[in-house]
Amino acid sequence: GQNIDQPTEMTATEGAIVQINCTYQTSGFNGLFWYQQHAGEAPTFLSYNVLDGLEEKGRFSSFLSRSKGYSYLLLKELQMKDSASYLCAVRERGATNKLIFGTGTLLAVQP
Amino acid sequence: EPEVTQTPSHQVTQMGQEVILRCVPISNHLYFYWYRQILGQKVEFLVSFYNNEISEKSEIFDDQFSVERPDGSNFTLKIRSTKLEDSAMYFCASSENSYEQYFGPGTRLTVT
Repeated sequence: GQNIDQPTEMTATEGAIVQINCTYQTSGFNGLFWYQQHAGEAPTFLSYNVLDGLEEKGRFSSFLSRSKGYSYLLLKELQMKDSASYLCAVRERGATNKLIFGTGTLLAVQP
Repeated sequence: EPEVTQTPSHQVTQMGQEVILRCVPISNHLYFYWYRQILGQKVEFLVSFYNNEISEKSEIFDDQFSVERPDGSNFTLKIRSTKLEDSAMYFCASSENSYEQYFGPGTRLTVT
């Protein structure tokens, strides 16, 4: 079966650092993606991990531990525009590697 | 920068009517997907399409749904007889190599 868990909501302060966790259980893991989604808009790609470790991309970093079925997204120097939902998605091994999404974490950045 | 486009942005239809949602994937991409997101819920996979045929479909993608790539640029999702529970945001996505998927802006379907 497939199960992806992430916190429903988080609040953080402008300029701070926030870590959004994701745990997953899937039948055939082939990578983990983080997407950002503003209300009423499409998901936009943030990061991708297929091997264990940390991937850094500007203010955003993502970490993966395959043995623990665990990932986190780290956002540094938070800005008000970072207020959005952050979606953890696992790519399943298969013909076309479909994405299985978690419910998303709604991040509110406060001044 | 190339992007996935979708039309219309919002479609209102009556229950039982047919709707066609249109997508233009990024031109050199080979893998195409439809996802949907019911308001307040998670993004759900519907179907993937490669080499002019369906590669995989979810339980949601029943006989009421069909996809087509009628020409070299468009990718469509048809719902034959819409139900109230089909109301959702429908996202098209494309990928060059089934790696990173790029999402379109979505079509909001409202079934009344």
